[in-house]
Amino acid sequence: GAVVSQHPSWVICKSGTSVKIECRSLDFQATTMFWYRQFPKQSLMLMATSNEGSKATYEQGVEKDKFLINHASLTLSTLTVTSAHPEDSSFYICSARDKTGPSYEQYFGPGTRLTVT
Amino acid sequence: GENVEQHPSTLSVQEGDSAVIKCTYSDSASNYFPWYKQELGKGPQLIIDIRSNVGEKKDQRIAVTLNKTAKHFSLHITETQPEDSAVYFCAASGGDYKLSFGAGTTVTVRA
Repeated sequence: GAVVSQHPSWVICKSGTSVKIECRSLDFQATTMFWYRQFPKQSLMLMATSNEGSKATYEQGVEKDKFLINHASLTLSTLTVTSAHPEDSSFYICSARDKTGPSYEQYFGPGTRLTVT
Repeated sequence: GENVEQHPSTLSVQEGDSAVIKCTYSDSASNYFPWYKQELGKGPQLIIDIRSNVGEKKDQRIAVTLNKTAKHFSLHITETQPEDSAVYFCAASGGDYKLSFGAGTTVTVRA
């Protein structure tokens, strides 16, 4: 149980285009979903927190107009990187909190590798 | 905000030996301390966690200890195996459920 999926697992896009990444909780309802970015050989950095039906909360330094987050249901959150540039190339990982499970535990997705050319 | 420091950044151990990774945190309000294992190209996988009302927790070869007074917690892996080779991250979380991660430790188990 407690499986989180991400789609796509990897994507290559041209500079200036937008790309959408999906995060789904497959067997539980997620109260909250989190989006992280991880550069090579670095740690995970929280980008934003999204709650179903409400606006996402972004961490300091993360441009909310560039990284659009939509949490339309208790099982799906999407991250859209708008007008992508090579410096946005990174590993994007989502996590989800189970609405009914231990309140602190987060279940992580497998990540999405974004390469902007 | 919370600041988590993790040491060492790399750790090489002989198969069968123990590995210890240490973390310190800054926010006394933090009360949840998970440890994650991340393999190359994959998302982090929770291996063990501890709440602030517990001093130690063990799951087979893995144990975590927490010292709230000193604001530090440690991961202990005994009888290491080659498949334990990975990057390990500690994290801390408080009432807002946000996780602050340490910088990571690359563990290499030599056969």
